[in-house]
Amino acid sequence: AQKVTQAQTEISVVEKEDVTLDCVYETRDTTYYLFWYKQPPSGELVFLIRRNSFDEQNEISGRYSWNFQKSTSSFNFTITASQVVDSAVYFCALPQGAQKLVFGQGTRLTINP
Amino acid sequence: SAVISQKPSRDICQRGTSLTIQCQVDSQVTMMFWYRQQPGQSLTLIATANQGSEATYESGFVIDKFPISRPNLTFSTLTVSNMSPEDSSIYLCSVEDRNLGYTFGSGTRLTVV
Repeated sequence: AQKVTQAQTEISVVEKEDVTLDCVYETRDTTYYLFWYKQPPSGELVFLIRRNSFDEQNEISGRYSWNFQKSTSSFNFTITASQVVDSAVYFCALPQGAQKLVFGQGTRLTINP
Repeated sequence: SAVISQKPSRDICQRGTSLTIQCQVDSQVTMMFWYRQQPGQSLTLIATANQGSEATYESGFVIDKFPISRPNLTFSTLTVSNMSPEDSSIYLCSVEDRNLGYTFGSGTRLTVV
């Protein structure tokens, strides 16, 4: 069965600092997708990225970047020059079969002004 | 990408009563998923709903407690029955999305008193 581990329960940094959220996964699938979602205090899940296991290139989107390393089964997420609006719970997720998503425990990120 | 309208956004309910949550999708989808997120926890799949068949429930969730309807390819409801304070959670519906993988509704924040 799929498993996603986000070992960092909570992270607190000062605004403008860089911060990395770790995600380690387990799967027996040879091809798979990985996801990151952001959950602000309002509760909705905001899609951030979907990464195919074929593509190990790092991805950058503005202040966000993702480092996918198949050899270590990790898909880490870095926010550069963090802002207060980045404060949220972040989830890493992995599909199980063609259906449900298996989520990590989430990392609560607090950016202090 | 699909857009999901989920209602209500929040509710406070008396124990012993039931609440029905609705999700309307702006396009036809085969499967809809219902998740529960207990306070401070990750998301857990309750069930998968296919149109024209009974929902498939995950271990620990039963139809009597969480009946689901799926009358057509754009709509589904989840009822939380005979509620207790332990049912206080965020409930989210989700669909597969060709572009994003999965799209989520905005969530229903339920408090049972």
